[in-house]
Amino acid sequence: EAGVAQSPRYKIIEKRQSVAFWCNPISGHATLYWYQQILGQGPKLLIQFQNNGVVDDSQLPKDRFSAERLKGVDSTLKIQPAKLEDSAVYLCASSPSGGTPSTDTQYFGPGTRLTVL
Amino acid sequence: AQSVAQPEDQVNVAEGNPLTVKCTYSVSGNPYLFWYVQYPNRGLQFLLKYITGDNLVKGSYGFEAEFNKSQTSFHLKKPSALVSDSALYFCAVRAHTGGFKTIFGAGTRLFVKA
Repeated sequence: EAGVAQSPRYKIIEKRQSVAFWCNPISGHATLYWYQQILGQGPKLLIQFQNNGVVDDSQLPKDRFSAERLKGVDSTLKIQPAKLEDSAVYLCASSPSGGTPSTDTQYFGPGTRLTVL
Repeated sequence: AQSVAQPEDQVNVAEGNPLTVKCTYSVSGNPYLFWYVQYPNRGLQFLLKYITGDNLVKGSYGFEAEFNKSQTSFHLKKPSALVSDSALYFCAVRAHTGGFKTIFGAGTRLFVKA
């Protein structure tokens, strides 16, 4: 079974530029998550989709971050414009169902390391 | 509010010795508890989880964890450490508070010396 795929693996941009990350979850997984992991911290949930609907985006900085999962499969996370404090690893994860309450295990991709200069 | 604490930034242990990585949590209601491991330049890998039932949970790579409701703890253990266990370990909790969002601890770096 193929795991969660993410691209690119690394990205370096100047502040105020825009950037996009792509994620393809495990086949058949209904729920997709985007996390931000700042160096020295645990992952923080940015947004959670169930199929193509948003379940939780309470911690997404909506003035600069956006995400979509149009066909309920792969997803894109965008930052526009980027700030220095956005430097982090962006992790995508998926889980089979994600119903509430969810006991599902989340399966993580390798992450995209973003450096904002 | 829902929170997870990993009180040790780093744990050092000799190969062959038992290891413990500590985790405590604070939630309202019954928690779902998870341990993940992260190797350099890789995503998090699932080790084990506690949902309900037996307080001792066994997981991947010989790891186990004990759920202690009275102490609100979920410590990760392994009877005999390997050098290859050296990695970053994250405890996570999911509970009714916060809409079942998963909250991760800050992580504990485990260093196993040969």
